[in-house]
Amino acid sequence: GAGVSQSPRYKVAKRGQDVALRCDPISGHVSLFWYQQALGQGPEFLTYFQNEAQLDKSGLPSDRFFAERPEGSVSTLKIQRTQQEDSAVYLCASSTSSGNTIYFGEGSWLTVV
Amino acid sequence: KQEVTQIPAALSVPEGENLVLNCSFTDSAIYNLQWFRQDPGKGLTSLLLIQSSQREQTSGRLNASLDKSSGRSTLYIAASQPGDSATYLCAVRTGTYKYIFGTGTRLKVLA
Repeated sequence: GAGVSQSPRYKVAKRGQDVALRCDPISGHVSLFWYQQALGQGPEFLTYFQNEAQLDKSGLPSDRFFAERPEGSVSTLKIQRTQQEDSAVYLCASSTSSGNTIYFGEGSWLTVV
Repeated sequence: KQEVTQIPAALSVPEGENLVLNCSFTDSAIYNLQWFRQDPGKGLTSLLLIQSSQREQTSGRLNASLDKSSGRSTLYIAASQPGDSATYLCAVRTGTYKYIFGTGTRLKVLA
């Protein structure tokens, strides 16, 4: 596609619900990133994929967070048993294998009530 | 651990002013530094990328400089316009892929 596409754009979840956030990167982009951005803060790294391999998941805040990219294109970030502190914008970004510039989607805004 | 700081946190200027946004980082071992713009409710748009071997990059009214040894970068915006109002984020790339972001400078340009 023309850009990084994320869905849903907005999600309100009740505490304890599971949520799934989808990212469709730019076609042909090997690298895919997930970032979490709290209100008034800069994005914080969650995880990185190269094709279907998850090479770094050091930023995932707890074992309730899980990300996958089974076929090396679309990725899903899943949050189990959501908590209020999970409320944030979840940004997905992609780049080429040698690319320096990363391209961000518009984010999925998650509010846990 | 790499930390990125941006000063000021917020800035309000009249239209037409030239302005400077500052970014500092604690570990000079970086691959590159990028400046991004974020509009409310939107994702990030890359403005300028400076490789670790470069000193500056320019795009239109924007100029970014990098002093790796002192851990500093500046984004210079000439002749500011109301359409420049946004949050500006700098990010340093550490290792082969990870970007560490600052908390941003919220800029408001008054007409």
